[in-house]
Amino acid sequence: GQQLNQSPQSMFIQEGEDVSMNCTSSSIFNTWLWYKQDPGEGPVLLIALYKAGELTSNGRLTAQFGITRKDSFLNISASIPSDVGIYFCAGSSGKSTFGDGTTLTVKP
Amino acid sequence: EAQVTQNPRYLITVTGKKLTVTCSQNMNHEYMSWYRQDPGLGLRQIYYSMNVEVTDKGDVPEGYKVSRKEKRNFPLILESPSPNQTSLYFCASSFGRQETQYFGPGTRLLVL
Repeated sequence: GQQLNQSPQSMFIQEGEDVSMNCTSSSIFNTWLWYKQDPGEGPVLLIALYKAGELTSNGRLTAQFGITRKDSFLNISASIPSDVGIYFCAGSSGKSTFGDGTTLTVKP
Repeated sequence: EAQVTQNPRYLITVTGKKLTVTCSQNMNHEYMSWYRQDPGLGLRQIYYSMNVEVTDKGDVPEGYKVSRKEKRNFPLILESPSPNQTSLYFCASSFGRQETQYFGPGTRLLVL
């Protein structure tokens, strides 16, 4: 079946630093989604991308839908402690496939 | 408030004792699905439903059943739970299969 490779698996950064994570696949997707999961909670949608090449921002978050439709990245600028959590990418072409997540730790 | 609710949030049970985890959404979504989340394995889809009385297997359906008698409810049934079903379970809903999914808060299940 379809698989997503999400990297890095974990990140330990200092408050104020920028963060970048990405997902790649051997399959083409029509939609790319980025979610954040806080401890003890369900994933919450951050950004949805519907068009190849699309670049979308949500506050300090920026995500892009790769031109090949096989990848996407998420950037977080000027990280703050509340950015900690697990970030998931998801590709969808009918069925959603999730990456394994990137665990982000931000040191004050 | 638009939301997906799950009950219970935490459950400890023993092998073989049937259990049901309920899921309800108030957004009039047609598509609902169940996932399990395990360390290092991400979110894996168990079952999904495109609409009332329409359900289908996801990637890891073995040991689970679902039903969709009403649009808003999508319970997950474990007829004979086993320890390998110890996991964190999430219900999600969306308007369509390709639309953005909204997740419930999760149900943490421990099968002894």
